[in-house]
Amino acid sequence: AQSVTQPDARVTVSEGASLQLRCKYSYFGTPYLFWYVQYPRQGLQLLLKYYPGDPVVQGVNGFEAEFSKSNSSFHLRKASVHWSDWAVYFCAVTHFNTGNYKYVFGAGTRLKVIA
Amino acid sequence: DAGVTQTPRHEVAEKGQTIILKCEPVSGHNDLFWYRQTKIQGLELLSYFRSKSLMEDGGAFKDRFKAEMLNSSFSTLKIQPTEPKDSAVYLCASSRTGGTETLYFGSGTRLTVL
Repeated sequence: AQSVTQPDARVTVSEGASLQLRCKYSYFGTPYLFWYVQYPRQGLQLLLKYYPGDPVVQGVNGFEAEFSKSNSSFHLRKASVHWSDWAVYFCAVTHFNTGNYKYVFGAGTRLKVIA
Repeated sequence: DAGVTQTPRHEVAEKGQTIILKCEPVSGHNDLFWYRQTKIQGLELLSYFRSKSLMEDGGAFKDRFKAEMLNSSFSTLKIQPTEPKDSAVYLCASSRTGGTETLYFGSGTRLTVL
């Protein structure tokens, strides 16, 4: 079955440091992959999305992600974290099944930014 | 363009009550989703509509949860009767069409059942 695993429930980084949030997916076929961010008391917002093509995808606010078919991964990166990046990050994959597209979300990674 | 609007932002109910949550999707979007979000279970799909037709009703949530889409710009989620374990954030999302499109989420309704 299709699944998304975010192995790190919580990550703490210092402001200005680099960041990588990990995402592993299980999918047969061509995946469409997404990273969403959820700020406190808000819904999820799209950071970036991968459609088959260039494996490195640029998103908003300096985020990028790299798709790896061999590793079944779609890790999110940022070169320099800002305090405003303190949020929960969700990786998601969509797949086509029995006439419908289904979104599968990971459990989320809670990012804390410290001074 | 207006985003997804959910009302109310907060709801407190007594066990056994009926509550109705409301959602207005982004204008022109064909797909609408209801999710329940908890720290333990994460995001769980409750219902999925395409062009107002119910495509998926979330299996385990069938018995007390009923989502409806009376027109393309308004959806409701009824929980009847409520139980304390229903305490969660309920998120509504919409997209243009197809699973490769971006989901646009509302800010959610935080439900507390006493």
